[in-house]
Amino acid sequence: KNEVEQSPQNLTAQEGEFITINCSYSVGISALHWLQQHPGGGIVSLFMLSSGKKKHGRLIATINIQEKHSSLHITASHPRDSAVYICAVRFPLAGNQFYFGTGTSLTVIP
Amino acid sequence: GAGVSQSPSNKVTEKGKDVELRCDPISGHTALYWYRQRLGQGLEFLIYFQGNSAPDKSGLPSDRFSAERTGESVSTLTIQRTQQEDSAVYLCASSFLAGAITGELFFGEGSRLTVL
Repeated sequence: KNEVEQSPQNLTAQEGEFITINCSYSVGISALHWLQQHPGGGIVSLFMLSSGKKKHGRLIATINIQEKHSSLHITASHPRDSAVYICAVRFPLAGNQFYFGTGTSLTVIP
Repeated sequence: GAGVSQSPSNKVTEKGKDVELRCDPISGHTALYWYRQRLGQGLEFLIYFQGNSAPDKSGLPSDRFSAERTGESVSTLTIQRTQQEDSAVYLCASSFLAGAITGELFFGEGSRLTVL
């Protein structure tokens, strides 16, 4: 069964804290995407990963293909990082649909 | 254009009316997706187009919903005889897809539909 699970569902952090959001999936994938949606805003693609690690500013995304797990890290978190973070994958044996995690709602308090 | 463009950004309609939502994907993107997002909820898949292949309509909630795409360009999502439960943000996304090769997924700003 093609499943994507995210944790935690909700996360509150103090400004400056290191944040980790996790995503697990059930079977092999062709790529994993991390998306960001600000309240009332559009959805922005942060990363697309098929292996290893990517870094963009304070954001780091890693993926472990063997363990079917990815993490999104935010270093030195800031209130503007408050958003919903969504993991999305494409299962190559399940057509070309994207399967989405339920999202992690992050609130960073000043 | 530089990004995925959707119109209208906001649409208020009366129950029973038909509405048409438009999506202009990024040039060269073969794959186009429509999603629905109700307030406070996640993304609900509606329909997917890939090149000239038959669309995947498995997510359309009823026969009141239909969508078309002309080649690899503009797509239109039509909702007939709108109901209040159709109120949501309708999001379009596009990506380059070729076999197992997936490009990044780019979303439009969405069309917010309110059915009175």
